Amino acid sequence: DADVTQTPRNRITKTGKRIMLECSQTKGHDRMYWYRQDPGLGLRLIYYSFDVKDINKGEISDGYSVSRQAQAKFSLSLESAIPNQTALYFCATSLGGTGELFFGEGSRLTVL
Amino acid sequence: AQSVTQLGSHVSVSEGALVLLRCNYSSSVPPYLFWYVQYPNQGLQLLLKYTSAATLVKGINGFEAEFKKSETSFHLTKPSAHMSDAAEYFCAVSESGGYNFNKFYFGSGTKLNVKP
Repeated sequence: DADVTQTPRNRITKTGKRIMLECSQTKGHDRMYWYRQDPGLGLRLIYYSFDVKDINKGEISDGYSVSRQAQAKFSLSLESAIPNQTALYFCATSLGGTGELFFGEGSRLTVL
Repeated sequence: AQSVTQLGSHVSVSEGALVLLRCNYSSSVPPYLFWYVQYPNQGLQLLLKYTSAATLVKGINGFEAEFKKSETSFHLTKPSAHMSDAAEYFCAVSESGGYNFNKFYFGSGTKLNVKP
């Protein structure tokens, strides 16, 4: 089983719908991240959390919200999806002080 | 603010040839530097990382990178390309301490094509 699991892996939705992407990890890491990948733009940080009570905005947080339900779970929500949120979304974890990210396999979201 | 620039969105080499993927960074404090690889339909995997120890860092699959502070560069090399190296490669930076520690910023990626 994967150490960092994202659900769903693929989702097609319509403009205006609420969408939640979920991430769970079995690595015991304290830090969790949501990134968005677009062709030619690399990965851009949406939100990050250094522990359950710590949530921080990244470079592109507008239109997104997150919830850290437990140390192992970090969810990303799109309250009202729009077409330019069509992208590949990655969850990642790290253990404080080690300087290495571990990625899930990604969630591909298409907003029509 | 930190940023990462990868020169060349696509690089094509012949099998057995040298691989050179370029990365320049800007950081106001000592950085941690990383190279990640993404194979098709997969997440990113760490290739190697620089964390202020030796400036020449060896990673998996025969890749290595050299940290050059004077040039603010962290280029990735491999002496002989293999077909299995075809993937997208991302350079990333994080500050080594303070408020931005463990905030990672990624370059736009370089797709490596290996020709038979």
